[in-house]
Amino acid sequence: EAEVAQSPRYKITEKSQAVAFWCDPISGHATLYWYRQILGQGPELLVQFQDESVVDDSQLPKDRFSAERLKGVDSTLKIQPAELGDSAMYLCASSLSSGGYEQYFGPGTRLTVT
Amino acid sequence: GESVGLHLPTLSVQEGDNSIINCAYSNSASDYFIWYKQESGKGPQFIIDIRSNMDKRQGQRVTVLLNKTVKHLSLQIAATQPGDSAVYFCAEKKNSGGSNYKLTFGKGTLLTVNP
Repeated sequence: EAEVAQSPRYKITEKSQAVAFWCDPISGHATLYWYRQILGQGPELLVQFQDESVVDDSQLPKDRFSAERLKGVDSTLKIQPAELGDSAMYLCASSLSSGGYEQYFGPGTRLTVT
Repeated sequence: GESVGLHLPTLSVQEGDNSIINCAYSNSASDYFIWYKQESGKGPQFIIDIRSNMDKRQGQRVTVLLNKTVKHLSLQIAATQPGDSAVYFCAEKKNSGGSNYKLTFGKGTLLTVNP
């Protein structure tokens, strides 16, 4: 069964350092999402791509976060500089398209900022 | 603020019993409501959804009920098994413009199944 792949699974970094997460969606899925999940809470959408274009980045802290999906396949989410409050699970999800199709989530990257 | 919330943060049941997880919502414009299961160390997994114009939908061992009068959603799990232990989230899916839909999640309920 096809799955969304994410790496690394765990990342520990010091505050003020740069960190990057990678996501490979299910093959053929045009829509890719990055979510942030704070412990004990539900995921919160950071950015949504349709192919290589950003559809929604209204909740992305653009002063320190950036995301790209250059060829419309895999994607990278970057934080620079990392802050203590960025410690969370970063989840990637993909769907066939943006028209209400089911979203499939990856296992996430657990980020700890010290 | 959030438009989807949960009544109870934790629920503990005996194996074989039925489980009921509740969720309140405040946004009447949602198109769908969805239940997700998240096991430790994994991403959320779709369980079942219900369109906003429906009252009930059944799946395998799960039933979702939607009461639009009191803006309440519930997930019923029949004959709960140890493998059902996880955090359960309700989420609303709403059209955010054109053909685009956005998911908004609630805080989650931790279900623990005791053998």
